[in-house]
Amino acid sequence: GQNIDQPTEMTATEGAIVQINCTYQTSGFNGLFWYQQHAGEAPTFLSYNVLDGLEEKGRFSSFLSRSKGYSYLLLKELQMKDSASYLCAVMDSNYQLIWGAGTKLIIKP
Amino acid sequence: DVKVTQSSRYLVKRTGEKVFLECVQDMDHENMFWYRQDPGLGLRLIYFSYDVKMKEKGDIPEGYSVSREKKERFSLILESASTNQTSMYLCASSGQISGANVLTFGAGSRLTVL
Repeated sequence: GQNIDQPTEMTATEGAIVQINCTYQTSGFNGLFWYQQHAGEAPTFLSYNVLDGLEEKGRFSSFLSRSKGYSYLLLKELQMKDSASYLCAVMDSNYQLIWGAGTKLIIKP
Repeated sequence: DVKVTQSSRYLVKRTGEKVFLECVQDMDHENMFWYRQDPGLGLRLIYFSYDVKMKEKGDIPEGYSVSREKKERFSLILESASTNQTSMYLCASSGQISGANVLTFGAGSRLTVL
């Protein structure tokens, strides 16, 4: 079956760096997405990786290794507003999105 | 700047009632989706539509139907609500951003079935 694994919850300190991992096993691969979802709000798009390597976008970076079925989202200079759930999703060979359960990130002062 | 609007944020219905969840997008997207989101689970696709009057079943279509009479509007219908349909329902449309087919979600409709 198809599966996306990411940690359920992580805690980090304001100003620090945190890495949220995502591993996947899917039928084919057509890209990996990261979305951010604040409590009670809609998920919003953060990043997209389809080739191996690091994509940097301001304080957020996303890395992909297709051979390892692995991605991570790196958040630098953490701010309180980064407290949210982070959703990893992979597009499979049928261009359907397979979603992880999300990682709840708690930022402490 | 609202792009995907869901008509109801919170609904409470009784078992057996018919429930309509409305979704409207203003981005002229062709593809629209209905997901449900439950604690500890990834988003699960109920139905999607890639054109007016077209619909495709997702992973969990049982107990649901959809309607897409206009490009901007995609409705989710629960013909006879059951307690196991208590959930957060998310509507989304998809469009291209920097080469990626990106979903834009509505704020969600939290449905409680008693």
